[in-house]
Amino acid sequence: GAVVSQHPSRVICKSGTSVKIECRSLDFQATTMFWYRQFPKQSLMLMATSNEGSKATYEQGVEKDKFLINHASLTLSTLTVTSAHPEDSSFYICSASPAGHSYEQYFGPGTRLTVT
Amino acid sequence: GENVEQHPSTLSVQEGDSAVIKCTYSDSASNYFPWYKQELGKRPQLIIDIRSNVGEKKDQRIAVTLNKTAKHFSLHITETQPEDSAVYFCAASPRNTGTASKLTFGTGTRLQVTL
Repeated sequence: GAVVSQHPSRVICKSGTSVKIECRSLDFQATTMFWYRQFPKQSLMLMATSNEGSKATYEQGVEKDKFLINHASLTLSTLTVTSAHPEDSSFYICSASPAGHSYEQYFGPGTRLTVT
Repeated sequence: GENVEQHPSTLSVQEGDSAVIKCTYSDSASNYFPWYKQELGKRPQLIIDIRSNVGEKKDQRIAVTLNKTAKHFSLHITETQPEDSAVYFCAASPRNTGTASKLTFGTGTRLQVTL
């Protein structure tokens, strides 16, 4: 149990375009999902906390208008990178926390974004 | 906010030896400390975690110790095997407030187990 999927696993886009990444909890309901970004050989940096039915909470330095997060249901959160630039190229990973289990986070497999 | 430091950044051990990775945290409100193993290009996988109400936890070859007074916690891997080679991250999370708590990750330790 506790499986989290992400789609797509890899995406290449041109500079200036937008890319949407989906994060799904497959066998549990997630009231909270988290979005992380990981540059090569670096740690995971939390970008935002996504709560179902409410606005996401962004970490300091993360532009909310550039990284749009929508948590429309208890099993789906989406991250849209708008007007992508080469410096947005990174590994984006989501995690989901089951309802009523505030400590546990289950990670998705990640999405490798390359902006050309 | 929370700040988690992790040492060493790289660690090379011979197969069968032990490996120790140490982390310190800054926020006294943190009370959950998980450790993750991440292989190249893969998702982080939880290998062990500890909550602030205990000082030590063990699961087969892996153990974690926590010193809340000093605000540090450590991962111990005994009888290391080549498949233990990966990047290990510690993390800290603040006191539960009824909703999921965000994790602050350490900088990672690249462990290499040589034959």
